[in-house]
Amino acid sequence: RKEVEQDPGPFNVPEGATVAFNCTYSNSASQSFFWYRQDCRKEPKLLMSVYSSGNEDGRFTAQLNRASQYISLLIRDSKLSDSATYLCVVNAGGTSYGKLTFGQGTILTVHP
Amino acid sequence: DGGITQSPKYLFRKEGQNVTLSCEQNLNHDAMYWYRQDPGQGLRLIYYSQIVNDFQKGDIAEGYSVSREKKESFPLTVTSAQKNPTAFYLCASTGPSYNSPLHFGNGTRLTVT
Repeated sequence: RKEVEQDPGPFNVPEGATVAFNCTYSNSASQSFFWYRQDCRKEPKLLMSVYSSGNEDGRFTAQLNRASQYISLLIRDSKLSDSATYLCVVNAGGTSYGKLTFGQGTILTVHP
Repeated sequence: DGGITQSPKYLFRKEGQNVTLSCEQNLNHDAMYWYRQDPGQGLRLIYYSQIVNDFQKGDIAEGYSVSREKKESFPLTVTSAQKNPTAFYLCASTGPSYNSPLHFGNGTRLTVT
């Protein structure tokens, strides 16, 4: 089993749609989780950290399910500009800087 | 402004040559990372360093070497032993705590022919 796994998609949705991505992780000791956004041929940019109680930033909501070992990202009211690859990152090192491992990314295309 | 600087942005080398990619940060971060990304793929961890003079292998360390002599600098050498070196290389750093996110440089695109 991969340490961090994402559904690669692609997800093709119309503007205004709601879309959700999941990311599973194998190390139950993992303590920190993040979602990044990557545009074509650019470096990843932090979208949001994922907190235990869940957190929201505008149209974006992140959740953590420790029992089932996955994190999720929900995008509401999708915009054309949301088209990108979404990467989850898990700190498999537990309570140290450790090994920050990426999922393979989920491609999202939002169309008019 | 604080940030991470990778240089050069594009690098071309002949097969059989070693090449060193530069990564410098002025964020005062303790931990630094090197990732490789191939077209249509996610990021794979090559090496990481949590403190000066110490580093650990990631998932694909074969054919690569690193050093961490200064907190600000974490250069990556791609050796001739790396079988498929052509890729997009990303350097990142994080701090001041283990649950801080990664900050990335702009990346170096290496092409080996």
